[in-house]
Amino acid sequence: DAGITQSPRHKVTETGTPVTLRCHQTENHRYMYWYRQDPGHGLRLIHYSYGVKDTDKGEVSDGYSVSRSKTEDFLLTLESATSSQTSVYFCAISDRGRVEAFFGQGTRLTVV
Amino acid sequence: DQQVKQNSPSLSVQEGRISILNCDYTNSMFDYFLWYKKYPAEGPTFLISISSIKDKNEDGRFTVFLNKSAKHLSLHIVPSQPGDSAVYFCAACDSWGKLQFGAGTQVVVTP
Repeated sequence: DAGITQSPRHKVTETGTPVTLRCHQTENHRYMYWYRQDPGHGLRLIHYSYGVKDTDKGEVSDGYSVSRSKTEDFLLTLESATSSQTSVYFCAISDRGRVEAFFGQGTRLTVV
Repeated sequence: DQQVKQNSPSLSVQEGRISILNCDYTNSMFDYFLWYKKYPAEGPTFLISISSIKDKNEDGRFTVFLNKSAKHLSLHIVPSQPGDSAVYFCAACDSWGKLQFGAGTQVVVTP
């Protein structure tokens, strides 16, 4: 299995609080992605990174920010959590961005 | 606006028969296409891929077909097995590495 770890695996938070999810990889892959999975919508890209400090927006980036200060870590921050951000969040990594990406186990986030 | 679309949310197929999953895309900048399989409470796992310069790629029971002019790809699974019951996601990647997914198709293989 690819060395990719998401933390926390489960989190319950209150509306309006900031939340940070962490994705850590040991594969030295260049590309890292954050997705959310919701019924009827599949996997939607939030943000992705193509190198340290190089990030770009995906389809559903509003309300989310990311940071990548080193190759192995990609952080996703919900600046002020809302109930619509209740979802399962997946991180993925890829070596060349145009080949298969490996996924983490997911983080189930509930905003109450 | 999702640029990768899977219009069939579910598919039921008998064991031993062929499963055909379809996917359409709107962005002509996509140049690499992938299929992923997902079981509940797990992350998606890579299944098979195809470059835009090809029209077919085969790997065992799995074959992906690409029709660039129609912006359409399909995944064929022959023969279908009970372990194939899962959600299948179509994905597309552009030259900048932006990887986008469709909504998924739930496949159920019945005995």
